[in-house]
Amino acid sequence: ETGVTQSPTHLIKTRGQQVTLRCSSQSGHNTVSWYQQALGQGPQFIFQYYREEENGRGNFPPRFSGLQFPNYSSELNVNALELDDSALYLCASSFAWAGTGELFFGEGSRLTVL
Amino acid sequence: AQSVAQPEDQVNVAEGNPLTVKCTYSVSGNPYLFWYVQYPNRGLQFLLKYITGDNLVKGSYGFEAEFNKSQTSFHLKKPSALVSDSALYFCAVRDGYSGGGADGLTFGKGTHLIIQP
Repeated sequence: ETGVTQSPTHLIKTRGQQVTLRCSSQSGHNTVSWYQQALGQGPQFIFQYYREEENGRGNFPPRFSGLQFPNYSSELNVNALELDDSALYLCASSFAWAGTGELFFGEGSRLTVL
Repeated sequence: AQSVAQPEDQVNVAEGNPLTVKCTYSVSGNPYLFWYVQYPNRGLQFLLKYITGDNLVKGSYGFEAEFNKSQTSFHLKKPSALVSDSALYFCAVRDGYSGGGADGLTFGKGTHLIIQP
């Protein structure tokens, strides 16, 4: 176990709705990143937060947004859900920037959009 | 841009035999390379990494990986496979020149490793 916890584990939404996913980082980690893993694919980088600011972003539209709180926990918000947003969303924490170190992943939140 | 290729969707190995899971990469600068394992309906677990130094890297659960700069490869290996090694394996890369990992990791599509008793 990595100490990174995510909630909820599963959820179902309909197209056009909004969703918020939550993540608690491993103790001592101040950087959090989010990844989307579609079925049968590798994880894709959404964005990274360091000291409550987004400091890196992958190829995802602005309707994917996030927050990092002073206790280093984080949220991923997705607006105007589309069918293709159905995926496993993984949160990963690390110390300082990801740098040379490994990421510690949570178990993920599986989102189904109908 | 950085990319990772895992050419095999599935690798089948008999228990006790050596295993290899292949990975090739492309980055502009120095590669930081990682292997992760994923069990069904679970998150990713870190196995090992190459940043610099010795080309043979040892990691968790008896796994090791060999960095080959000329072939831009980072193959995962284990001398003797166990049935419990059966899982989905991901290779990932980051450009060492990007600031603080803010570009994230780029993952391959994954390779299913099946160890037959």
